Amino acid sequence: DSGVTQTPKHLITATGQRVTLRCSPRSGDLSVYWYQQSLDQGLQFLIQYYNGEERAKGNILERFSAQQFPDLHSELNLSSLELGDSALYFCASSVLTGAITEAFFGQGTRLTVV
Amino acid sequence: AQSVAQPEDQVNVAEGNPLTVKCTYSVSGNPYLFWYVQYPNRGLQFLLKYITGDNLVKGSYGFEAEFNKSQTSFHLKKPSALVSDSALYFCAVRDLNQAGTALIFGKGTTLSVSS
Repeated sequence: DSGVTQTPKHLITATGQRVTLRCSPRSGDLSVYWYQQSLDQGLQFLIQYYNGEERAKGNILERFSAQQFPDLHSELNLSSLELGDSALYFCASSVLTGAITEAFFGQGTRLTVV
Repeated sequence: AQSVAQPEDQVNVAEGNPLTVKCTYSVSGNPYLFWYVQYPNRGLQFLLKYITGDNLVKGSYGFEAEFNKSQTSFHLKKPSALVSDSALYFCAVRDLNQAGTALIFGKGTTLSVSS
């Protein structure tokens, strides 16, 4: 167990809908990352937050947004969902934001858009 | 731009034999390299990292990795494979091109260990 908790584990929703994925980082970790894993794109970095502020953006669509709250948990909001958004979404956390720190991953939320 | 390549989609090895999962990297500046493993229906688990220093890095579950600067490689190795090592392995490099510290992952290599 990595200590990173993601909810829900599975989510099935219809096209056009909006969903929220939740992540609780390891105790003491200030940095949260969101990744998308799909068969065709592999593991893609979406966005990083550090201590409540956005630190870096990757291949995140404009329909997607995220935030990190004062208690350090994070939420990823996906709206106007399309079939192609079906994927495994991972949250990871690390204690610092330095280059040498490894990140610890949650078990992911499997999103299926029908 | 920072990137890693895993040239093999799948590696097959018999239990007890040594295994190697290959990774090459392309970075501007110092490379910060990582290996992760993903078991079915699980998240990624950290195995080891190279930051600086000794070219042979030891990690979890008996895995090690050899950093080779001249060949820009960071291959994952284990002297004796176990059936339970069968999983998806990812090489990653730290993205130093922006303010954040995200990892850029390779496409992954499926390791299959037969008994």
